[in-house]
Amino acid sequence: AQSVTQLDSQVPVFEEAPVELRCNYSSSVSVYLFWYVQYPNQGLQLLLKYLSGSTLVKGINGFEAEFNKSQTSFHLRKPSVHISDTAEYFCAVSPPRGGNKLTFGTGTQLKVEL
Amino acid sequence: KAGVTQTPRYLIKTRGQQVTLSCSPISGHRSVSWYQQTPGQGLQFLFEYFSETQRNKGNFPGRFSGRQFSNSRSEMNVSTLELGDSALYLCASSLGDRSGELFFGEGSRLTVL
Repeated sequence: AQSVTQLDSQVPVFEEAPVELRCNYSSSVSVYLFWYVQYPNQGLQLLLKYLSGSTLVKGINGFEAEFNKSQTSFHLRKPSVHISDTAEYFCAVSPPRGGNKLTFGTGTQLKVEL
Repeated sequence: KAGVTQTPRYLIKTRGQQVTLSCSPISGHRSVSWYQQTPGQGLQFLFEYFSETQRNKGNFPGRFSGRQFSNSRSEMNVSTLELGDSALYLCASSLGDRSGELFFGEGSRLTVL
């Protein structure tokens, strides 16, 4: 079984500042890793994913994440945030070829302020 | 290309009733998954259907069921509703390649009184 821990429930940040949202996972097998974003009153949208290969993954809207196997982490970063990045961010894992049975973290609310 | 469409968007039911939610996936997508989202439990996987067959199942009681039709549209049903079933029910479609890349609908918000 897998589990995901998102260490911060809320992260306030000023516009144009950098941000890092933390995600740690636990699994006895290798996993696929994902970051999804949910804007108010909407469904989730895939930001980026790590399946294999390069540990630095670039996604949409200027976000990137780095897979660290030794620390079982997959932190999300953006060098300069915008007001429109205000949303809830979810880290998720699935076993390789495990279909679409994702295990999600509890989410991190990113609030970008002027 | 149209996205994932869920109906109804909002509904209110009373305890003991049943409810059916519908999901139309993106054209060409053969897999439909359902998730329950609540403030207390977060996002939890209900089940996944691929080519009209249930491919994966989460840890929910038998009151929660689903099905998929030949056109890939899916429905989920919850019988004998309980207050704790109040949640946002999200449908997600994918090509079915088991990559985990999901395209979510906006959800059906169920309130049980």
